[in-house]
Amino acid sequence: AQTVTQSQPEMSVQEAETVTLSCTYDTSESDYYLFWYKQPPSRQMILVIRQEAYKQQNATENRFSVNFQKAAKSFSLKISDSQLGDAAMYFCASKGGSEKLVFGKGTKLTVNP
Amino acid sequence: DTAVSQTPKYLVTQMGNDKSIKCEQNLGHDTMYWYKQDSKKFLKIMFSYNNKELIINETVPNRFSPKSPDKAHLNLHINSLELGDSAVYFCASSQFGGGDKETQYFGPGTRLLVL
Repeated sequence: AQTVTQSQPEMSVQEAETVTLSCTYDTSESDYYLFWYKQPPSRQMILVIRQEAYKQQNATENRFSVNFQKAAKSFSLKISDSQLGDAAMYFCASKGGSEKLVFGKGTKLTVNP
Repeated sequence: DTAVSQTPKYLVTQMGNDKSIKCEQNLGHDTMYWYKQDSKKFLKIMFSYNNKELIINETVPNRFSPKSPDKAHLNLHINSLELGDSAVYFCASSQFGGGDKETQYFGPGTRLLVL
Protein backbone atom coordinates (compact mmCIF):
# COMPACT_ATOMS: atom_id res chain seq x y z
CA ALA A 1 0.00 0.00 0.00
CA GLN A 2 1.11 3.51 -0.70
CA THR A 3 1.82 5.91 2.14
CA VAL A 4 2.67 9.61 2.11
CA THR A 5 4.15 11.35 5.14
CA GLN A 6 4.40 15.08 5.73
CA SER A 7 6.31 15.55 8.96
CA GLN A 8 5.74 19.30 9.32
CA PRO A 9 2.18 20.11 10.39
CA GLU A 10 2.97 23.84 10.22
CA MET A 11 5.65 26.04 8.70
CA SER A 12 6.13 29.77 8.48
CA VAL A 13 8.22 31.97 6.20
CA GLN A 14 8.89 35.65 5.79
CA GLU A 15 7.65 37.28 2.64
CA ALA A 16 10.28 37.12 -0.14
CA GLU A 17 12.17 34.32 1.64
CA THR A 18 12.46 30.67 0.62
CA VAL A 19 10.80 27.76 2.37
CA THR A 20 11.00 23.99 1.86
CA LEU A 21 8.16 21.62 2.70
CA SER A 22 9.07 17.99 3.30
CA CYS A 23 7.39 14.86 2.01
CA THR A 24 8.35 11.20 2.05
CA TYR A 25 6.43 8.42 0.40
CA ASP A 26 6.43 4.69 0.05
CA THR A 27 5.18 2.67 -2.88
CA SER A 28 5.82 -0.73 -4.39
CA GLU A 29 5.07 0.56 -7.88
CA SER A 30 7.94 1.13 -10.27
CA ASP A 31 5.98 3.69 -12.28
CA TYR A 32 4.37 6.40 -10.21
CA TYR A 33 3.61 10.09 -10.02
CA LEU A 34 4.06 12.63 -7.26
CA PHE A 35 2.12 15.84 -6.76
CA TRP A 36 1.94 18.90 -4.59
CA TYR A 37 -1.48 20.48 -4.20
CA LYS A 38 -2.25 23.79 -2.53
CA GLN A 39 -5.46 24.45 -0.61
CA PRO A 40 -5.95 28.13 0.29
CA PRO A 41 -8.71 29.24 2.69
CA SER A 42 -11.12 29.19 -0.26
CA ARG A 43 -10.67 25.36 0.04
CA GLN A 44 -10.11 24.89 -3.70
CA MET A 45 -7.51 22.17 -4.34
CA ILE A 46 -4.98 23.59 -6.79
CA LEU A 47 -2.24 21.59 -8.49
CA VAL A 48 1.12 23.21 -7.80
CA ILE A 49 3.57 20.83 -9.40
CA ARG A 50 3.86 17.28 -10.71
CA GLN A 51 6.79 14.86 -11.00
CA GLU A 52 6.93 11.61 -12.96
CA ALA A 53 9.10 9.11 -11.11
CA TYR A 54 10.91 8.00 -14.25
CA LYS A 55 12.17 11.53 -14.88
CA GLN A 56 15.43 12.33 -13.15
CA GLN A 57 15.12 16.06 -13.67
CA ASN A 58 13.38 17.92 -10.86
CA ALA A 59 10.15 19.63 -11.90
CA THR A 60 9.87 23.41 -11.68
CA GLU A 61 6.93 25.79 -12.08
CA ASN A 62 7.94 29.43 -11.75
CA ARG A 63 8.76 29.98 -8.03
CA PHE A 64 7.95 26.37 -7.16
CA SER A 65 10.44 23.53 -7.52
CA VAL A 66 10.86 20.07 -6.14
CA ASN A 67 13.81 18.08 -4.85
CA PHE A 68 13.00 14.52 -5.91
CA GLN A 69 15.26 11.93 -4.30
CA LYS A 70 14.01 8.62 -5.67
CA ALA A 71 16.26 6.32 -3.64
CA ALA A 72 15.34 8.10 -0.42
CA LYS A 73 11.67 8.30 -1.48
CA SER A 74 11.69 11.99 -0.73
CA PHE A 75 9.79 14.71 -2.60
CA SER A 76 10.20 18.15 -1.04
CA LEU A 77 8.68 21.39 -2.34
CA LYS A 78 10.69 24.60 -2.41
CA ILE A 79 8.89 27.92 -2.66
CA SER A 80 11.15 30.82 -3.59
CA ASP A 81 10.38 34.51 -3.09
CA SER A 82 7.38 33.63 -0.92
CA GLN A 83 4.30 35.77 -1.37
CA LEU A 84 1.34 36.40 0.90
CA GLY A 85 -0.83 34.49 -1.55
CA ASP A 86 1.24 31.36 -0.97
CA ALA A 87 -0.30 30.98 2.49
CA ALA A 88 -2.28 27.74 2.37
CA MET A 89 -2.35 24.06 3.27
CA TYR A 90 0.03 22.11 1.06
CA PHE A 91 -0.61 18.46 0.37
CA CYS A 92 1.87 15.98 -1.03
CA ALA A 93 0.30 13.08 -2.95
CA SER A 94 1.42 9.92 -4.68
CA LYS A 95 -0.21 7.81 -7.37
CA GLY A 96 1.26 4.55 -8.57
CA GLY A 97 0.11 2.86 -11.76
CA SER A 98 -3.52 1.91 -11.46
CA GLU A 99 -3.61 2.69 -7.76
CA LYS A 100 -5.50 5.48 -6.12
CA LEU A 101 -4.12 8.94 -5.32
CA VAL A 102 -2.94 8.98 -1.69
CA PHE A 103 -2.46 12.25 0.21
CA GLY A 104 -0.29 13.22 3.14
CA LYS A 105 -1.83 14.99 6.11
CA GLY A 106 -0.78 18.40 4.88
CA THR A 107 1.46 21.26 5.98
CA LYS A 108 -0.04 24.61 6.87
CA LEU A 109 2.15 27.39 5.50
CA THR A 110 1.97 30.88 6.99
CA VAL A 111 3.61 33.78 5.17
CA ASN A 112 4.56 36.68 7.40
CA PRO A 113 4.70 40.20 5.92
CA ASP B 1 -15.60 27.98 -18.17
CA THR B 2 -15.18 26.13 -14.86
CA ALA B 3 -13.32 22.83 -15.38
CA VAL B 4 -14.84 20.81 -12.52
CA SER B 5 -17.97 22.16 -10.88
CA GLN B 6 -19.97 20.95 -7.91
CA THR B 7 -23.39 21.85 -6.59
CA PRO B 8 -24.23 22.85 -4.01
CA LYS B 9 -21.20 24.53 -2.43
CA TYR B 10 -22.79 24.40 1.02
CA LEU B 11 -25.32 21.96 2.41
CA VAL B 12 -26.81 22.13 5.90
CA THR B 13 -29.26 19.42 6.81
CA GLN B 14 -30.74 17.41 9.65
CA MET B 15 -29.70 13.92 10.72
CA GLY B 16 -31.63 11.23 8.92
CA ASN B 17 -32.21 13.24 5.75
CA ASP B 18 -31.16 12.16 2.25
CA LYS B 19 -29.10 14.55 0.12
CA SER B 20 -27.27 14.60 -3.22
CA ILE B 21 -24.20 16.40 -4.47
CA LYS B 22 -23.68 16.86 -8.19
CA CYS B 23 -20.43 17.09 -10.11
CA GLU B 24 -19.73 17.98 -13.73
CA GLN B 25 -16.47 18.29 -15.64
CA ASN B 26 -15.92 19.88 -19.03
CA LEU B 27 -12.31 18.73 -19.46
CA GLY B 28 -13.21 15.75 -21.62
CA HIS B 29 -11.82 13.39 -18.96
CA ASP B 30 -13.02 9.81 -18.68
CA THR B 31 -12.37 9.22 -14.97
CA MET B 32 -14.06 10.93 -12.03
CA TYR B 33 -13.65 10.67 -8.28
CA TRP B 34 -15.24 11.53 -4.97
CA TYR B 35 -13.04 12.44 -2.00
CA LYS B 36 -13.92 13.22 1.60
CA GLN B 37 -11.92 15.77 3.61
CA ASP B 38 -12.52 15.48 7.33
CA SER B 39 -12.23 18.12 10.02
CA LYS B 40 -8.48 17.47 10.31
CA LYS B 41 -8.09 18.21 6.61
CA PHE B 42 -7.26 14.60 5.74
CA LEU B 43 -8.28 13.76 2.17
CA LYS B 44 -9.34 10.26 1.31
CA ILE B 45 -10.80 8.77 -1.84
CA MET B 46 -14.28 7.29 -1.67
CA PHE B 47 -15.15 6.27 -5.22
CA SER B 48 -13.82 6.39 -8.75
CA TYR B 49 -15.60 5.90 -12.06
CA ASN B 50 -14.02 5.31 -15.45
CA ASN B 51 -16.37 5.72 -18.41
CA LYS B 52 -19.37 5.29 -16.11
CA GLU B 53 -17.96 2.11 -14.59
CA LEU B 54 -17.11 1.92 -10.88
CA ILE B 55 -13.42 1.13 -10.49
CA ILE B 56 -12.61 2.20 -6.93
CA ASN B 57 -14.97 1.63 -4.05
CA GLU B 58 -13.28 2.26 -0.74
CA THR B 59 -14.67 1.14 2.60
CA VAL B 60 -17.58 3.55 2.65
CA PRO B 61 -20.98 2.96 4.31
CA ASN B 62 -23.70 1.69 2.00
CA ARG B 63 -25.56 4.93 2.68
CA PHE B 64 -23.23 6.53 0.13
CA SER B 65 -24.10 5.74 -3.47
CA PRO B 66 -22.36 7.28 -6.45
CA LYS B 67 -24.04 7.49 -9.84
CA SER B 68 -22.47 8.34 -13.17
CA PRO B 69 -25.06 9.07 -15.87
CA ASP B 70 -22.29 9.81 -18.37
CA LYS B 71 -18.55 10.31 -18.24
CA ALA B 72 -18.88 14.07 -17.64
CA HIS B 73 -21.06 13.69 -14.54
CA LEU B 74 -20.67 11.95 -11.21
CA ASN B 75 -23.22 12.43 -8.47
CA LEU B 76 -23.09 11.37 -4.84
CA HIS B 77 -26.24 10.45 -2.98
CA ILE B 78 -26.17 10.06 0.78
CA ASN B 79 -29.02 8.36 2.65
CA SER B 80 -29.87 8.70 6.34
CA LEU B 81 -27.28 11.35 7.04
CA GLU B 82 -25.31 11.07 10.28
CA LEU B 83 -23.34 13.64 12.27
CA GLY B 84 -20.08 11.97 11.21
CA ASP B 85 -20.86 12.66 7.56
CA SER B 86 -20.12 16.34 8.13
CA ALA B 87 -17.09 17.07 5.96
CA VAL B 88 -16.03 18.68 2.72
CA TYR B 89 -16.65 16.48 -0.31
CA PHE B 90 -14.52 16.99 -3.39
CA CYS B 91 -15.12 15.79 -6.89
CA ALA B 92 -12.13 15.37 -9.21
CA SER B 93 -11.44 14.18 -12.73
CA SER B 94 -8.54 12.88 -14.81
CA GLN B 95 -7.85 11.13 -18.06
CA PHE B 96 -6.90 7.47 -17.82
CA GLY B 97 -3.67 6.60 -19.53
CA GLY B 98 -0.55 7.61 -17.65
CA GLY B 99 1.85 10.55 -17.87
CA ASP B 100 0.29 14.00 -17.63
CA LYS B 101 -3.07 12.29 -17.80
CA GLU B 102 -2.65 11.00 -14.25
CA THR B 103 -3.15 14.50 -12.89
CA GLN B 104 -6.44 14.96 -11.07
CA TYR B 105 -8.26 18.27 -11.20
CA PHE B 106 -10.54 19.11 -8.32
CA GLY B 107 -13.86 20.85 -7.99
CA PRO B 108 -14.43 23.62 -5.42
CA GLY B 109 -15.76 21.23 -2.79
CA THR B 110 -19.12 20.91 -1.04
CA ARG B 111 -19.18 21.64 2.66
CA LEU B 112 -21.78 19.36 4.27
CA LEU B 113 -22.94 20.07 7.79
CA VAL B 114 -25.26 17.59 9.46
CA LEU B 115 -27.10 18.89 12.52
